[in-house]
Amino acid sequence: GAVVSQHPSWVICKSGTSVKIECRSLDFQATTMFWYRQFPKQSLMLMATSNEGSKATYEQGVEKDKFLINHASLTLSTLTVTSAHPEDSSFYICSARDPGGQGAEAFFGQGTRLTVV
Amino acid sequence: AQSVTQLGSHVSVSEGALVLLRCNYSSSVPPYLFWYVQYPNQGLQLLLKYTSAATLVKGINGFEAEFKKSETSFHLTKPSAHMSDAAEYFCAVSESGYGGATNKLIFGTGTLLAVQP
Repeated sequence: GAVVSQHPSWVICKSGTSVKIECRSLDFQATTMFWYRQFPKQSLMLMATSNEGSKATYEQGVEKDKFLINHASLTLSTLTVTSAHPEDSSFYICSARDPGGQGAEAFFGQGTRLTVV
Repeated sequence: AQSVTQLGSHVSVSEGALVLLRCNYSSSVPPYLFWYVQYPNQGLQLLLKYTSAATLVKGINGFEAEFKKSETSFHLTKPSAHMSDAAEYFCAVSESGYGGATNKLIFGTGTLLAVQP
């Protein structure tokens, strides 16, 4: 099946700094990618839909200036957490669907554990 | 709007016993339904999917699910639990009832499966 790779798997940063998370589709082109946030023992919360070559679409309540999304190519989307604070600590996951695939399922990255100290 | 409800946030079974994880959906159009599994600190892996073909769907690791339109259900089952099945399980539905690349998934709240020796 299609592969989505996310990097880094975990990151620790100081409060006030910015962190960039990358999401790559390795064997297909993804015009659309999705960014989720997951709190401990909870479900996935969709943060935004990343669109190649255009602005991301953010879900209600998600600060677009806080969570910057760039989808500059058909295989790469990045999420930058700006001026991170401890409350931004969470598990972030990206996903994409293969437009050429027949299965309709979404493929997920491995996730990034962000800890802000 | 599409939605899924997972009954039971925690399910515990003995090794070798039947696994039954419940998912009910709400959809105004014929749904595309999915079950995903998540191991700690990892992304989501597809177990199986329903895309309007056969109502009994077989997936990986011995799991299967049956689509029942009359009951609006898509319960996940496995005849004999294994210790390695201990994980979080998520039911999901495609937002617009089809599997397009731009179509996001709506997730249930998840069910944590524990397998006792």
